[in-house]
Amino acid sequence: SQTIHQWPATLVQPVGSPLSLECTVEGTSNPNLYWYRQAAGRGLQLLFYSVGIGQISSEVPQNLSASRPQDRQFILSSKKLLLSDSGFYLCAWRVTGGNTIYFGEGSWLTVV
Amino acid sequence: ELKVEQNPLFLSMQEGKNYTIYCNYSTTSDRLYWYRQDPGKSLESLFVLLSNGAVKQEGRLMASLDTKARLSTLHITAAVHDLSATYFCAVGYNNNDMRFGAGTRLTVKP
Repeated sequence: SQTIHQWPATLVQPVGSPLSLECTVEGTSNPNLYWYRQAAGRGLQLLFYSVGIGQISSEVPQNLSASRPQDRQFILSSKKLLLSDSGFYLCAWRVTGGNTIYFGEGSWLTVV
Repeated sequence: ELKVEQNPLFLSMQEGKNYTIYCNYSTTSDRLYWYRQDPGKSLESLFVLLSNGAVKQEGRLMASLDTKARLSTLHITAAVHDLSATYFCAVGYNNNDMRFGAGTRLTVKP
């Protein structure tokens, strides 16, 4: 069966510091991968998605970036965090051509 | 641009009662999702609806889709405390995106 792992689960970072959130999917090949952000008490916003290694599409201009160095690995990064980057970050995946999108456990980021 | 409106945003129910959450969306889509989120947790997939008239049921939850009206409903039957959570609908957008509603925070009281 397929599983998705995301880490770290919680993170407190000062303004201006870098960020790296990692996500891996097991049990499937060539998944579509996603990064979503959920601000407190709100719905989810798509940040990035990837349909293959090295292929990244950005939905929202911001100081975040994403990379997919391996088929089942998706990384969310920032060189300098802003206070407004605080939130709940969720990695998600979908079988290519499938309909259901499955979410990882999420990472709570607080920028102070 | 696709807009998704969910109502009510807050719902307090007594155990044993029935209620419906509504999800309206503004443009044509070929897929509609319902997710559950417990406080501080990730999203759990409940239903994927792919065609007009689709109805799916799991336990006390039943979801339906009317693509002509651009409306999906999530009906709760005989609510129990364990159903307390936030429920999100999401509408497929382009090939790789979903647009989420604001969520309905459901509290079931004894």
